[in-house]
Amino acid sequence: EIVLTQSPGTLSLSPGERATLSCRASQSVSSSYLAWYQQKPGQAPRLLIYGASSRATGIPDRFSGSGSGTDFTLTISRLEPEDFAVYYCQQYGSSPVAFGQGTKLEIK
Amino acid sequence: QVQLVQSGAEVKKPGASVKVSCKASGYTFTSYYMHWVRQAPGQGLEWMGIINPSGGSTSYAQKFQGRVTMTRDTSTSTVYMELSSLRSEDTAVYYCARVNYYDQAFDPWGQGTLVTVSS
Repeated sequence: EIVLTQSPGTLSLSPGERATLSCRASQSVSSSYLAWYQQKPGQAPRLLIYGASSRATGIPDRFSGSGSGTDFTLTISRLEPEDFAVYYCQQYGSSPVAFGQGTKLEIK
Repeated sequence: QVQLVQSGAEVKKPGASVKVSCKASGYTFTSYYMHWVRQAPGQGLEWMGIINPSGGSTSYAQKFQGRVTMTRDTSTSTVYMELSSLRSEDTAVYYCARVNYYDQAFDPWGQGTLVTVSS
């Protein structure tokens, strides 16, 4: 089974800055079936990126995803106050589905 | 609009079972697979399994094999997740999540159901 490792565990940045979140897989992710989710306290996760680089419906273009194989990145170009949350990567190309442990993006 | 509405919070004793429901609306229920994911307090997301609402076939994470049962009722567009032999470590928020229109990513998600296991 594929294990996803996210880094860093916590990222402290200020509004307006650029955020770069990493997700590394223990094996190649099939057909770039890699997604990113945002989760705020008390809420369900929300899909941001699917297929490694496609933005989900309604997601602002400051969110972008890239990568293939075993290395993937979520970039938030200019942080807005509402972007501070926990972010999870997920592979869904092979069973079992797996999630990374999460990166907490906090206000510096 | 596509919506998944889950049943309310539950409190169960160790050894008991819990059955959580997820009612779908706004789309053709039998056209999209549904997953279940759980999240223990302060922890990350854990995949539990998947059900095909069309035929009812299922696939479960090995960790939950023998303890989890996912079913569906096409007449009410509802999927169910039943977890048996509950222990304190099963205290978590349980989410249903449909697969995305474009591929198999999870979108949307239900609002979550808190299951508390306590004596």
